[in-house]
Amino acid sequence: DQQVKQNSPSLSVQEGRISILNCDYTNSMFDYFLWYKKYPAEGPTFLISISSIKDKNEDGRFTVFLNKSAKHLSLHIVPSQPGDSAVYFCAASGAGYALNFGKGTSLLVTP
Amino acid sequence: GAVVSQHPSWVICKSGTSVKIECRSLDFQATTMFWYRQFPKQSLMLMATSNEGSKATYEQGVEKDKFLINHASLTLSTLTVTSAHPEDSSFYICSARIGAGGYGYTFGSGTRLTVV
Repeated sequence: DQQVKQNSPSLSVQEGRISILNCDYTNSMFDYFLWYKKYPAEGPTFLISISSIKDKNEDGRFTVFLNKSAKHLSLHIVPSQPGDSAVYFCAASGAGYALNFGKGTSLLVTP
Repeated sequence: GAVVSQHPSWVICKSGTSVKIECRSLDFQATTMFWYRQFPKQSLMLMATSNEGSKATYEQGVEKDKFLINHASLTLSTLTVTSAHPEDSSFYICSARIGAGGYGYTFGSGTRLTVV
């Protein structure tokens, strides 16, 4: 049963524009959320995280928004760059500490 | 800091043989190691959680006799795929929590296993 869902398998954005990646979760016990970037045949690279006590966290071009009532979070990348092209995974953690991942969204930033 | 070194990065083996994948924490002690598996275009699925010095906890549907996990020290955890079959071909990644009480995670670079 997929507890973390990324319903958009792919997204194409023009360079310089905003990329918005969405993620939904079902388990109300999740209290920490992370975004990872992954290239083929490599392990995920941590991007940004947010705890359930916040609704926004910003780090450079990356901002994560959390809407607990809707069990929804999103990652905004502004401005998008071609080097941002990768698969982005949303992950959530609760008391068990293991990460639950979504299926990923493949982002393509075109020049 | 907080690097997990995973080896091998890729391996091809014959059906029926066993393959061992190692994950070493290079500059920290990994009390807990998580093992994930990823099928093409699918999510990273948690297979098991291993704690140093104790038996691993396997997720539902994961055969513990097939995927042997050993976490004998604070810096080394291994996953052995026994009697591998083509359907075991996948991408395996280990992950360790970093920071006491925190939620930081670091990942190995992954192992691409192909069983022929």
